[in-house]
Amino acid sequence: DTGVSQDPRHKITKRGQNVTFRCDPISEHNRLYWYRQTLGQGPEFLTYFQNEAQLEKSRLLSDRFSAERPKGSFSTLEIQRTEQGDSAMYLCASSLRGQLEGEQYFGPGTRLTVT
Amino acid sequence: KNQVEQSPQSLIILEGKNCTLQCNYTVSPFSNLRWYKQDTGRGPVSLTIMTFSENTKSNGRYTATLDADTKQSSLHITASQLSDSASYICVVSAGTGNQFYFGTGTSLTVIP
Repeated sequence: DTGVSQDPRHKITKRGQNVTFRCDPISEHNRLYWYRQTLGQGPEFLTYFQNEAQLEKSRLLSDRFSAERPKGSFSTLEIQRTEQGDSAMYLCASSLRGQLEGEQYFGPGTRLTVT
Repeated sequence: KNQVEQSPQSLIILEGKNCTLQCNYTVSPFSNLRWYKQDTGRGPVSLTIMTFSENTKSNGRYTATLDADTKQSSLHITASQLSDSASYICVVSAGTGNQFYFGTGTSLTVIP
């Protein structure tokens, strides 16, 4: 499977715990995006990488959230001191600059439930 | 303010019937517009992508239209199937194509 993969697919955690999600983009894609989606809503942009550089962060990304893409390949999204409001689907997408500009391929998402 | 609005919010149709979903946007400067299909609990999957100069694009039973003057797009689904039941999301990108604005989606249910 050469699509975008995310791990884990589901995560249940207690309030106050830290969680980390992983995204593996399509191998030749240099752009990687993180989104958050709550039930009945469209995805909301969180942050975006071009190669290893984090070029843009949404104001939705509070100081409890941090994302990395250390080698320009896979990325991690960490949420510290989780709150119940963090419960959502976290989607990762990747794209290739210069090819069908803006065409994003999404992963299956990680569903986070904070109890 | 850059916004994407979709209508209707939800729709129920009989299998075999056609339907049209609407997307209005105020995003500027416009780069391209995509329609995605999102099955419950899954990531969105691209159906069509349209640039400023394109008016119509088809992908099987899906046909998207774009009117850049009125900033409106529609997604027409022909001869609906039960597997078409999903959320359909309109996404408009701005600038160099790297700022994305998502609609809240239309939830389509196809019943036998």
